[in-house]
Amino acid sequence: DVKVTQSSRYLVKRTGEKVFLECVQDMDHENMFWYRQDPGLGLRLIYFSYDVKMKEKGDIPEGYSVSREKKERFSLILESASTNQTSMYLCASSAWDTHYEQYFGPGTRLTVT
Amino acid sequence: AQSVTQLDSQVPVFEEAPVELRCNYSSSVSVYLFWYVQYPNQGLQLLLKYLSGSTLVESINGFEAEFNKSQTSFHLRKPSVHISDTAEYFCAVSDSGNNNDMRFGAGTRLTVKP
Repeated sequence: DVKVTQSSRYLVKRTGEKVFLECVQDMDHENMFWYRQDPGLGLRLIYFSYDVKMKEKGDIPEGYSVSREKKERFSLILESASTNQTSMYLCASSAWDTHYEQYFGPGTRLTVT
Repeated sequence: AQSVTQLDSQVPVFEEAPVELRCNYSSSVSVYLFWYVQYPNQGLQLLLKYLSGSTLVESINGFEAEFNKSQTSFHLRKPSVHISDTAEYFCAVSDSGNNNDMRFGAGTRLTVKP
């Protein structure tokens, strides 16, 4: 089974802090994604990566950056956290040979105070 | 680009009653369609998917969905729900030629009451 893990389930940070969210997948998937989930808005794509060191902006990239130095790991960085970035963050991965079905991690609930 | 509309944000039903969660999509190209389920404090899990072929697809836990191209719909149904089906359900669509562009609906919260 595909396993996608995220470094923290719950995280509390202060405004202005730099925040790192880590995601690791164990199925050699070429694609990885970061979403944020907010009530009534569903999932919104922040960034995705289709290969090591490659990244593409999603619908809401402002205030975020990403890093993919190894195929299995995709990091989301909040350079200076703000209260409006309080949300659930979901990581996912996919591959061409499963019709790009996305496999999700358990999520990180980030609170910025 | 494609988009998804889930017509009901919340659906309360009693145990053993039938349920339908509605999903409509818009796209100018051929699509893949998915239903994901999210149990409390968990990530999303794939429930079922339509890629091609038979328009009726089923999950292992009794849900089914039918792809209706003329109505651009992919409604999810279950003839008899259980308490354990309480969760949030997301419909998603991707362009079959550009699979990295998956769009999700806003979600439908299904609450099954005893």
